[in-house]
Amino acid sequence: AQSVTQLDSQVPVFEEAPVELRCNYSSSVSVYLFWYVQYPNQGLQLLLKYLSGSTLVKGINGFEAEFNKSQTSFHLRKPSVHISDTAEYFCAVSDNGNKLVFGAGTILRVKS
Amino acid sequence: KAGVTQTPRYLIKTRGQQVTLSCSPISGHRSVSWYQQTPGQGLQFLFEYFSETQRNKGNFPGRFSGRQFSNSRSEMNVSTLELGDSALYLCASSYPQETQYFGPGTRLLVL
Repeated sequence: AQSVTQLDSQVPVFEEAPVELRCNYSSSVSVYLFWYVQYPNQGLQLLLKYLSGSTLVKGINGFEAEFNKSQTSFHLRKPSVHISDTAEYFCAVSDNGNKLVFGAGTILRVKS
Repeated sequence: KAGVTQTPRYLIKTRGQQVTLSCSPISGHRSVSWYQQTPGQGLQFLFEYFSETQRNKGNFPGRFSGRQFSNSRSEMNVSTLELGDSALYLCASSYPQETQYFGPGTRLLVL
């Protein structure tokens, strides 16, 4: 069975500082990996995805993530955050894209 | 292209009632998946439909059911509602797999 662990439930950071949201997964098969963002009272918006190929994936709003197969990780990074990045971020894994298994989420709080 | 739409956006029901939620996928997408989001359990997969057939199913009781129509629109039904069914229900569509795009959700409150 697949599982996802998001190591931090909340990450406070000052505006314009860099941030890393950590995600580790467990799977016995090849996986697809995703990061989604959820703003209050909204659905999930796709930030980026790893399906195959280059292990460094760039997404929207300046976010990027690196797939590390040996460490089974897919950490999300942004070099300089804005107040508007305050939201909850979810890492998800799938073996075929049809059934996503999500982590518990990380709330990113950007302070001015 | 219009995104995934879900109706209604908010719903209040009482215990024992049943409810039907609707999801219209992105045009051209043939797979629709449903998820339940609660503060305690997080995001959990309910089921997935492709070409009017249930292709995957999560670990939910039989009170939760769904269907998909020939135009790919999908509905999910919850019968005999319980307080614990209060949640945000999210629908996602894909073509036909790999990347799922989510709708805004339907927030269900069971009293």
